[in-house]
Amino acid sequence: EVQLVESGGGLVQPGGSLRLSCAASGFTFSSYWMSWVRQAPGKGLEWVANIKQDGSEKYYVDSVKGRFTISRDNAKNSLYLQMNSLRAEDTAVYYCAREYSGYDYDYYYYYYMDVWGKGTTVTVSS
Amino acid sequence: QSVLTQPPSVSAAPGQKVTISCSGSSSNIGNNYVSWYQQLPGTAPKLLIYDNNKRPSGIPDRFSGSKSGTSATLGITGLQTGDEADYYCGTWDSSLSAGGVFGTGTKVTVL
Repeated sequence: EVQLVESGGGLVQPGGSLRLSCAASGFTFSSYWMSWVRQAPGKGLEWVANIKQDGSEKYYVDSVKGRFTISRDNAKNSLYLQMNSLRAEDTAVYYCAREYSGYDYDYYYYYYMDVWGKGTTVTVSS
Repeated sequence: QSVLTQPPSVSAAPGQKVTISCSGSSSNIGNNYVSWYQQLPGTAPKLLIYDNNKRPSGIPDRFSGSKSGTSATLGITGLQTGDEADYYCGTWDSSLSAGGVFGTGTKVTVL
């Protein structure tokens, strides 16, 4: 069964750090781009970051650039999100997701997430 | 801040049809494929439509997607109580701050 399981969430004070993990199983992890998506309480989905199969390319939403780092360990089938200098507005459920992305013959970019974890909750509060 | 705009809510009676619009720009919807996600209360999002109009296996043909220019539309026919959920469009934005983007989300209510 294809599965993603997040862990590492919790309560942290503003300015603190947290490292999220996502354990993948049931598919060849090293063949896929992977993403983190978050959802603040009562709000919509927000894409956070993604990483290429070999870790050589990474993209981030502007609000986390310089504070969050996405990484992966293909030998351990694991995705990570190191979160530093946390703010109250980072409070959210964080989802790990498997991506499909690339260019078609007409140079249109296809991009979607077909497998999602159940999420882990991060609360930033004093 | 979402760059894709959706109506906050739509509603219809069981068996009826609803459509949800998703408006973007040339840097996202205009030049990239659109996907749609369903999020039932208290659960993770689920892929509903990809590449503008394709359905993953297991998704009924009551759900359909289309795209025209810088806008996309999700249609749900034969509305069921189990369709009550939040729906999000998504795509890649190829602007200077390249990255994934989601719509603002639409709550579907079955009357």
